[in-house]
Amino acid sequence: EAQVTQNPRYLITVTGKKLTVTCSQNMNHEYMSWYRQDPGLGLRQIYYSMNVEVTDKGDVPEGYKVSRKEKRNFPLILESPSPNQTSLYFCASSLSRGSGQFFGPGTRLTVL
Amino acid sequence: EDKVVQSPLSLVVHEGDTVTLNCSYEVTNFRSLLWYKQEKKAPTFLFMLTSSGIEKKSGRLSSILDKKELSSILNITATQTGDSAIYLCAVPYNNNDMRFGAGTRLTVKP
Repeated sequence: EAQVTQNPRYLITVTGKKLTVTCSQNMNHEYMSWYRQDPGLGLRQIYYSMNVEVTDKGDVPEGYKVSRKEKRNFPLILESPSPNQTSLYFCASSLSRGSGQFFGPGTRLTVL
Repeated sequence: EDKVVQSPLSLVVHEGDTVTLNCSYEVTNFRSLLWYKQEKKAPTFLFMLTSSGIEKKSGRLSSILDKKELSSILNITATQTGDSAIYLCAVPYNNNDMRFGAGTRLTVKP
């Protein structure tokens, strides 16, 4: 089954404790991206990747890192999480830029 | 500044009504416009539009792009309670970034 998976689905952590949210897709998609969704602000892109070893900043990259060492995986790293990073995070992938994206199920992160 | 604006932000209708959702955009180097439906969880892809005037249709949903007016509409006919969701419009801009509108929250009452 074609899908984008994210882990964990829910996470409660404390300020400053490094965390990684994994994202994996099994559709051989080149384009992958991370979004955060906050009430009243909609979906905002954090980082995206055109292909292996090619990543770039979206609208709200501060406080986040990503890597794309393999085509299928695109982890999101929060080196020192802060409460303003409490949000719902989505990973998404698509065949190419500008085409319809498949979204993962979301990760709800709370930073205390 | 590149932006995507959706209207209305919220809409309440009764089953059987027809609704029209709007998305306007201001982006340089326009390539495509995409519509998504978000129920309780992740957005799901509905349509991708690249050419003006060509309607995309899926069941009771249809969408069309007007490049002259820099806008798109999403129509839903004979609405059902299962159509209740947030409908999102997205446009790639700059190099490869994707910008989403704030969404239209549609509530269909029985």
